[in-house]
Amino acid sequence: KAGVTQTPRYLIKTRGQQVTLSCSPISGHRSVSWYQQTPGQGLQFLFEYFSETQRNKGNFPGRFSGRQFSNSRSEMNVSTLELGDSALYLCASSPRSASYEQYFGPGTRLTVT
Amino acid sequence: KNEVEQSPQNLTAQEGEFITINCSYSVGISALHWLQQHPGGGIVSLFMLSSGKKKHGRLIATINIQEKHSSLHITASHPRDSAVYICAVWAPSGGGADGLTFGKGTHLIIQP
Repeated sequence: KAGVTQTPRYLIKTRGQQVTLSCSPISGHRSVSWYQQTPGQGLQFLFEYFSETQRNKGNFPGRFSGRQFSNSRSEMNVSTLELGDSALYLCASSPRSASYEQYFGPGTRLTVT
Repeated sequence: KNEVEQSPQNLTAQEGEFITINCSYSVGISALHWLQQHPGGGIVSLFMLSSGKKKHGRLIATINIQEKHSSLHITASHPRDSAVYICAVWAPSGGGADGLTFGKGTHLIIQP
């Protein structure tokens, strides 16, 4: 089975812009979770989507949003980018919602200038 | 909220040495991950475990649920093992915020 894929792998944006990241889960997996990794805060949970519905959400502002399509692919959007949003964004797929069994993608490295 | 502590934060060792990285957490969990991240790279899941011990090649992971503690061991370490090793735990709260909680990572350098 192909693994989790994320696009793009690298991205440079300007403060104030918005950005959309994409994640394609392992075939058959219906849950996609998103995580942010920064040097200061480490890895933190953003949110989880299952069957096109947000099931769980971490402690992030409303500028961070996401959605999931009927084929389980998920997108994450960050609006009004701030310098502090520069991070590695990881997604992980799982066959079930709210499951510890998660498989990570390679990540998208976002730089905000 | 689950607190995940890893030790040591940094570790430098010589090639061939036996390496141990520790992870402690504060709340009972369902499962624990050990993850590996090379510089500038993505994350690779090494182990998912909820009890006992798992082995994969030169890597061994153990967990003691009662003690709320896990260890990752690397035997016959090699420079290619140099990476950040991250412990992550799953402790569902049912409050709509269920996700992995991560340690800060252990930065391992193996010198030839």
